[in-house]
This record gives sequence, C-alpha cells and structure tokens, in this order.
Amino acid sequence: RKEVEQDPGPFNVPEGATVAFNCTYSNSASQSFFWYRQDCRKEPKLLMSVYSSGNEDGRFTAQLNRASQYISLLIRDSKLSDSATYLCVVILVTSGTYKYIFGTGTRLKVLA
Amino acid sequence: EAGVAQSPRYKIIEKRQSVAFWCNPISGHATLYWYQQILGQGPKLLIQFQNNGVVDDSQLPKDRFSAERLKGVDSTLKIQPAKLEDSAVYLCASSPGRQRVGDTQYFGPGTRLTVL
Repeated sequence: RKEVEQDPGPFNVPEGATVAFNCTYSNSASQSFFWYRQDCRKEPKLLMSVYSSGNEDGRFTAQLNRASQYISLLIRDSKLSDSATYLCVVILVTSGTYKYIFGTGTRLKVLA
Repeated sequence: EAGVAQSPRYKIIEKRQSVAFWCNPISGHATLYWYQQILGQGPKLLIQFQNNGVVDDSQLPKDRFSAERLKGVDSTLKIQPAKLEDSAVYLCASSPGRQRVGDTQYFGPGTRLTVL
C-alpha cells in the first residue's frame, strides 16, 4: 500500500460547481498535512495547511480525519483558474526528522 | 524576497552521459531538498540537507546520483551516468528549517531533464 494515495482524476467539473478530493495516508504517526497546487509545467505551491479542527480559506476548505486517516479538500464555486493538479502532502516524523511524502496528485479541470 | 533559483531550466543528454543541476535556496533557509518528479507522478524526495549535513538520502540511487551542499547554501545534484528512466523534472525546494510543525516548502521552477 502506498504511503499517500490520491485519485489521479481528472475531475472535470463545470464552473461554479463544488468539488471535493480525498487523500488517504497509511502511517498513523503522520503529524502534519498540506495541500499543494501544481499548475501544468510549473512547480508545486502551498495551497493550505490542514489543521485537526479543519480550516477554511475563501472558497477552499480542508479537513483532517485522523480516525480514518484521510484529508480532504473542498472547492466551492469552482473557477476556470482552479484547473490544476492538487497534491496531498503528509509529514512523517522518523528518527527525529521530518519526512515529506507527496501523493501523486489529483487533476482538476474546470470547464466553461 | 527572491525565490528558489535553479539552473539550467532544460537539459537534453544522451544516456550514459553526465549532468549536473544547481540550486540556490531562499536566503536563510537551513533545509534544502531535491525531488524527482516523473510525468504523472508526485514529487519523490531524493535527498534532504539540514545546513550542509544530509538528513535523508534513503531514496537517492547512490550508484549514479550524488549531491552536495558544501557551504550550507547552494547545492548541486549530479547524475553519472544517466539512464533513460532518469527523464524527469528535478525540483529543488527549501524551508526555514525550524521544523516544529512542519515547515512550508518553497519550490524552484525545476530542471526538465530528457535522456535520449
């Protein structure tokens, strides 16, 4: 089983739709979680951190479910500019150091 | 604030040749990472430096890949000899290195390597 798993998509949604992605992780000792966004042929950029209590940033909401070992990203009122690959990142602490583990990413296409 | 710089942006070589990539992290960032991203996959960590020491190189193919960060600032990643399967984007990232809750990583634009 992969350490971090994501549905690769693509998710094709119309403008204005609400879309949600999940990301599951296998190691219960994972400590921190992030969502990164990667545009085509560009570098990943931090979208938002994921806190235990859930957090919201404008149209984006991130949730963490430690019991079921998954994180989610909800995008409301999708815009054409939201089209990108969304990477789930899990941080695992091993031997006193932090290890960043990326998922394969979920592709989102927002259609006009 | 200047971002992470990488060069070259593109490189095409033939298999069995050697290649080197350079990265200059954000000023003051103690932690530097090299990732390999193959098309359609997420970035895979190759090596992580804390200042000029190696923290994690468990996924670095040491028979052909090497990396150094001699003065704790910029870094080079070398492949010698290259194989076809090394075709990928090589991303450098840096973070402040506080690592209390997991630092935010800042990525450079990457070097796109094609091995023919």
